[in-house]
Amino acid sequence: NAGVTQTPKFQVLKTGQSMTLQCAQDMNHNSMYWYRQDPGMGLRLIYYSASEGTTDKGEVPNGYNVSRLNKREFSLRLESAAPSQTSVYFCASSYSSFDSSYNEQFFGPGTRLTVL
Amino acid sequence: RKEVEQDPGPFNVPEGATVAFNCTYSNSASQSFFWYRQDCRKEPKLLMSVYSSGNEDGRFTAQLNRASQYISLLIRDSKLSDSATYLCVVNADNYGQNFVFGPGTRLSVLP
Repeated sequence: NAGVTQTPKFQVLKTGQSMTLQCAQDMNHNSMYWYRQDPGMGLRLIYYSASEGTTDKGEVPNGYNVSRLNKREFSLRLESAAPSQTSVYFCASSYSSFDSSYNEQFFGPGTRLTVL
Repeated sequence: RKEVEQDPGPFNVPEGATVAFNCTYSNSASQSFFWYRQDCRKEPKLLMSVYSSGNEDGRFTAQLNRASQYISLLIRDSKLSDSATYLCVVNADNYGQNFVFGPGTRLSVLP
């Protein structure tokens, strides 16, 4: 099993350009997440998808859109990149249920994005 | 006040030392607690969950104090390979949308 995969690993954009970050998991998880990580701030949730066909905003959704294409794939789109979106982006997945709150999140290797 | 706060670090300790990390959280409704480890330029990975009764995994011991809203991680007999950033994570419900990550505490174990 590959776990959680992300593409690309690195990307440099100019202000105003658009791009889509891809994420896929092969663990049959129902929930998927997008985070950004900035120095000194911890990971912050951008969007999540509790199940196929649903998406919801997290803590910092402005400037981003997401698509839960199917159970395996969850993409993050930057429509008009800004320097403030320079960050490391992590995708994660978990099997979430009401039976237990101890649902480990598994992370992908991350995408390092620089917006000039 | 931040939702999850951790010792600012960095911690520089010699091999074999015992080191403790502290974490406090502000949401009293939090239900589950974790320590994640993140190596430099890598993704976070679960180190251990933290249960109410406390739990131990080899050299690692985690404690939870719900009354004080405090979590700790103790590492005994530190190894060079323990060098990493340790993230305290608090979850307020059964779904991951309320996972809140602390900023992390960096540990360097020196030879």
